Amino acid sequence: AQTVTQSQPEMSVQEAETVTLSCTYDTSENNYYLFWYKQPPSRQMILVIRQEAYKQQNATENRFSVNFQKAAKSFSLKISDSQLGDTAMYFCAFMRAAGGTSYGKLTFGQGTILTVHP
Amino acid sequence: NAGVMQNPRHLVRRRGQEARLRCSPMKGHSHVYWYRQLPEEGLKFMVYLQKENIIDESGMPKERFSAEFPKEGPSILRIQQVVRGDSAAYFCASSPPSAIRETQYFGPGTRLLVL
Repeated sequence: AQTVTQSQPEMSVQEAETVTLSCTYDTSENNYYLFWYKQPPSRQMILVIRQEAYKQQNATENRFSVNFQKAAKSFSLKISDSQLGDTAMYFCAFMRAAGGTSYGKLTFGQGTILTVHP
Repeated sequence: NAGVMQNPRHLVRRRGQEARLRCSPMKGHSHVYWYRQLPEEGLKFMVYLQKENIIDESGMPKERFSAEFPKEGPSILRIQQVVRGDSAAYFCASSPPSAIRETQYFGPGTRLLVL
């Protein structure tokens, strides 16, 4: 079974600064997908960024980028130029690639509460 | 293109009653997933459905919980004889029928409170 661990229950950052959220996972699979989802106070789950394990290049989406270290099973999220609207709970998630019996099932970490201060 | 719709957004039930949660996937999406989020916890997978088929129900409690996704209409998550421990946020997500359907789009959730 896959597990996802987020070791930082809470993080804070000043507006306009950079912050990195950590995520590690455990799997015996070689092909899989990793995601970061954001859950603001409204509790809506919003996809932030996605990474395919077979791609060596780290994914980026505007101010959001990841540092994917496959051998270390690490998948951290870097938020640059933090904005007040980035305040939210951030979840790291894992999904097996197609062909497995649990394909389609997202396994989430416990979440990291990020607060951006003005 | 409307997003994933869930209703009701809030549901209050007394112990022993039935709770029925509805999810309408995004237009063109034929895969639906249900997740449960207990207070102060991450989301836990419950069930994965395609039209008229349950693909993976490994996260569903064996008793009182059932899910369906009929040919017509929304997906339904039903909880019979609710107990206080069922109080949680229940999220539905959908993905398209293409070969690449890893990205799931989430609805706003249904907050169930059992008194």
